[in-house]
Amino acid sequence: AQSVTQPDIHITVSEGASLELRCNYSYGATPYLFWYVQSPGQGLQLLLKYFSGDTLVQGIKGFEAEFKRSQSSFNLRKPSVHWSDAAEYFCAVEGKTSYDKVIFGPGTSLSVIP
Amino acid sequence: NAGVTQTPKFQVLKTGQSMTLQCAQDMNHNSMYWYRQDPGMGLRLIYYSASEGTTDKGEVPNGYNVSRLNKREFSLRLESAAPSQTSVYFCASKLPQLSSPYEQYFGPGTRLTVT
Repeated sequence: AQSVTQPDIHITVSEGASLELRCNYSYGATPYLFWYVQSPGQGLQLLLKYFSGDTLVQGIKGFEAEFKRSQSSFNLRKPSVHWSDAAEYFCAVEGKTSYDKVIFGPGTSLSVIP
Repeated sequence: NAGVTQTPKFQVLKTGQSMTLQCAQDMNHNSMYWYRQDPGMGLRLIYYSASEGTTDKGEVPNGYNVSRLNKREFSLRLESAAPSQTSVYFCASKLPQLSSPYEQYFGPGTRLTVT
């Protein structure tokens, strides 16, 4: 069955510290991969996406993610977190032959200590 | 462009009542989606429509029906609301998948409470 897991329900980091949010997927073949961010009371906004080629992808707001096929992972990173990064982060997958079906992980809530 | 709009923003229903959540997009997107968001569960796909005239079940379709009225509009209907359907509902749309994926655009959400 297709699924996306985000092992960390909640993470707290200090402002200026580095961040890594984990995402693992279970899929028949390598899907398209996305990270979205949701600020409180808002809809979701795309941070970055991976579909082929270079396994390290850059996104908005200084975020990057690395695709590792052998681990079925697509972890999100940021070298230095800002207080405004406090939000909910979602990993999502879309199969290349699934006719546009997009599935999300359960999300990781990020708190930032000033 | 308004993007993706949803109505209503808030709704309280009694158990057994019915209602329809409306969603419209003005970006000429082919694909549209309905998700529900519950604490600790993330976004779960209820139904999606890859094009006008087609709809498919997602992960949690039970208790819901959808209508893709035209390319712009995709409605979600609760025929007999239950407390388990208390949630925040998001509509999304995107261009169809080609050789690379396109991002989804989300509406502001509808907060539904069933008592």
